[in-house]
Amino acid sequence: DAGITQSPRHKVTETGTPVTLRCHQTENHRYMYWYRQDPGHGLRLIHYSYGVKDTDKGEVSDGYSVSRSKTEDFLLTLESATSSQTSVYFCAISEVRGANEQFFGPGTRLTVL
Amino acid sequence: AQSVTQLDSQVPVFEEAPVELRCNYSSSVSVYLFWYVQYPNQGLQLLLKYLSGSTLVESINGFEAEFNKSQTSFHLRKPSVHISDTAEYFCAVSAATGNQFYFGTGTSLTVIP
Repeated sequence: DAGITQSPRHKVTETGTPVTLRCHQTENHRYMYWYRQDPGHGLRLIHYSYGVKDTDKGEVSDGYSVSRSKTEDFLLTLESATSSQTSVYFCAISEVRGANEQFFGPGTRLTVL
Repeated sequence: AQSVTQLDSQVPVFEEAPVELRCNYSSSVSVYLFWYVQYPNQGLQLLLKYLSGSTLVESINGFEAEFNKSQTSFHLRKPSVHISDTAEYFCAVSAATGNQFYFGTGTSLTVIP
């Protein structure tokens, strides 16, 4: 299995509080992605990174920011969490774009009350 | 941009019966196609992928998918399902020159004893 860990695995927080989720990889892959998974929507891309300090927005980026200061770490921050951000968040990595498969982490279940 | 449609949100099937999970995509460029499987409370795992060459691709656990360019489809099939195949299945498309994957909304396969 690809070496991808996510922390925390579960989190309950209150509306308006900041939340940071961490994705850590040991594969030295260039590309990293954050998705959210919601019933009826499948997986939707939030942000992705194509290198250290190089990031871009995905389909549902509003309310989220990311940072990548090291190859192995990709952080997702909810500056002020809302109930609509209750979801399961998955990190993924890939070696190159396009043809290469994405390897997924185990997910973080976030509940915003 | 690309998009993926999985027409069946839920597919119940009896054990040892055949199954087909449908996936259609839209794209104006060359694409790569993937099927992922998600078991309960886990991340996504690659099942099989089509990059080029033979339009029929197979997985190690008996699934196969056929790329049909004229119908823009990539349906997943298995001639005889097992209880252990119960899971959520996601179809995904990636542009040959793109950074992003686009996922369908998923099909929940339930194998009935």
